[in-house]
Amino acid sequence: GESVGLHLPTLSVQEGDNSIINCAYSNSASDYFIWYKQESGKGPQFIIDIRSNMDKRQGQRVTVLLNKTVKHLSLQIAATQPGDSAVYFCAENMKGTYKYIFGTGTRLKVLA
Amino acid sequence: GAVVSQHPSRVICKSGTSVKIECRSLDFQATTMFWYRQFPKKSLMLMATSNEGSKATYEQGVEKDKFLINHASLTLSTLTVTSAHPEDSSFYICSARGTSGQETQYFGPGTRLLVL
Repeated sequence: GESVGLHLPTLSVQEGDNSIINCAYSNSASDYFIWYKQESGKGPQFIIDIRSNMDKRQGQRVTVLLNKTVKHLSLQIAATQPGDSAVYFCAENMKGTYKYIFGTGTRLKVLA
Repeated sequence: GAVVSQHPSRVICKSGTSVKIECRSLDFQATTMFWYRQFPKKSLMLMATSNEGSKATYEQGVEKDKFLINHASLTLSTLTVTSAHPEDSSFYICSARGTSGQETQYFGPGTRLLVL
């Protein structure tokens, strides 16, 4: 399944399928990008990050893609599991400030 | 590693009282700590940036006299909501960044504040 981020804040996928969560970031000068997972009533949990000099980075079951031309970031989750159900936020680091700008978030629902 | 704690996890107080929330980096020294506010089903809104030993920098629209921030050590920052009112009810989350110059912020579990 694929979301368009800002326009479809909820993404439902079948367990075992791959998920793609998208994010459009705002500042072309941002040089560091992070994906966080937030479960209900908890703080954001770091998933994966990528610097602006890269266009792809892989972790365990997750991949982040960065397209600086269109200021787009995506998070791919392979073989989505029920434990992946949460809200996912992208964040961009404003170069030189260490401050983050967070995206609006996408809720991922994993269907059994 | 990179564990951040907050205390209390939830607090209920009467209108007009002040509430203090603590944020601690447990296994690293945090040059900078950040305080965020999050409304239900919304994203995180940065309130202020706190550097150890100096005054906090507040984002536009955030009242510094209302939300007092102290960052007295490299492992502790506090947020005090003064004269709390029901509209201050929210989920407050802190994050911390290490001293190495790395940009990654590690977040605490959040504090749920309910003002009656």
